[in-house]
Amino acid sequence: QSALTQPPSASGSPGQSVTISCTGTSSDVGGYDYVSWFQQNPGKAPKLMIYEVTKRPSGVPDRFSGSKSGNTASLTVSGLQAEDEADYYCISYAGSYNYVIFGGGTKLTVL
Amino acid sequence: QVQLHQSGPGLVKPSQTLSLTCDISGDSVSNTFATWNWIRQSSSRGLEWLGRTYYRSKWYFDYASSVKSRINITPDTSRNQLSLELRSVTPEDTAVYYCARETGAPATAILDYWGQGSLVAVSS
Repeated sequence: QSALTQPPSASGSPGQSVTISCTGTSSDVGGYDYVSWFQQNPGKAPKLMIYEVTKRPSGVPDRFSGSKSGNTASLTVSGLQAEDEADYYCISYAGSYNYVIFGGGTKLTVL
Repeated sequence: QVQLHQSGPGLVKPSQTLSLTCDISGDSVSNTFATWNWIRQSSSRGLEWLGRTYYRSKWYFDYASSVKSRINITPDTSRNQLSLELRSVTPEDTAVYYCARETGAPATAILDYWGQGSLVAVSS
């Protein structure tokens, strides 16, 4: 399977909202509600921010939300804060053989 | 609190075997509501899922097609740890390797706990 498609970069000013997309196919993103999003800071392991498209783990601010339309999942960060500056990755169930595939990552810059 | 702690050599010669261990605390490698995964990250390939093992009355193993002929993931119930072996490595296998717990059924992508990462370079 090919990696999911994410924009390489996104940006916004403090307080604004930014949305990061993650595009796949009907065999992965579009076919199942098993899309997660991770935040990764330099030198650190990824941190789970959203799972099953829209659910937030305990401790993740409600400024982070997820959605899906067709073959594209999205992560929206509302009320941007400086601490949100990081790399963001999506991942999806990819159907056969219990595979999962990652997106290429998006670098979020808070201006 | 679940913690995953990785260990293993940071340098491996081409054609040799990369071996890493992931010590699990706060959970059990035999947990029937979790799977245990290895994932790597490199600048050229991004994040790449390599494989997982999980226990559901017996042990199961899923491997990515890109490494299926070279990989082994082994659970050790006595030590409560997970190991990775990747054979016949090349410089393209240079990456940061992570172990991670996936909650629930396999491939639901709920990777909620990660190890600290192990940088492994393949070089002579």
